[in-house]
Amino acid sequence: EAEVAQSPRYKITEKSQAVAFWCDPISGHATLYWYRQILGQGPELLVQFQDESVVDDSQLPKDRFSAERLKGVDSTLKIQPAELGDSAMYLCASSLNWADTQYFGPGTRLTVL
Amino acid sequence: KNEVEQSPQNLTAQEGEFITINCSYSVGISALHWLQQHPGGGIVSLFMLSSGKKKHGRLIATINIQEKHSSLHITASHPRDSAVYICAVGSNYKLTFGKGTLLTVNP
Repeated sequence: EAEVAQSPRYKITEKSQAVAFWCDPISGHATLYWYRQILGQGPELLVQFQDESVVDDSQLPKDRFSAERLKGVDSTLKIQPAELGDSAMYLCASSLNWADTQYFGPGTRLTVL
Repeated sequence: KNEVEQSPQNLTAQEGEFITINCSYSVGISALHWLQQHPGGGIVSLFMLSSGKKKHGRLIATINIQEKHSSLHITASHPRDSAVYICAVGSNYKLTFGKGTLLTVNP
């Protein structure tokens, strides 16, 4: 069964360093989401792509976060510089289209020291 | 902006009990999702519905569009059902998530 792939699974970094996360959605899925989930809370949407275009990045802290999906397939989320408050689980999900069932990747757990 | 409220926040049940988790939202939607997240685990989509009722095994999801309300029911609950259940609503090409309901089913 097709799955959403994410790497790395775990990342420990020091504050002010740059980090990058990668996501490979299920083949054929046009919509890709990046979420941040702080322990004990629900996921918070950071950015949503429809193919290679950003549909929603209203919650993305643009001074330090960036996301791209250049060819409309895999995607990269970058944080530079990382801050202590960025420690969280970063989840990627994809769906055939925006209203369809979302399939989540295993996430990347980021710890900023 | 759509506001999504789930209740209860925490729920403890004995094995075999019937469970109900509720979700209310403020703005008209195109679809509502129920998701399950086990401790330390990933998120799995349980249901996506825009009207009526859906059933999968011991899980039943209902939605009332007029009342802007959905319920997730678990029949004959089991300890392996212990997880966080999250409601998410879709409108204007976006999903808005509730904060989740932590369900603990004791043997």
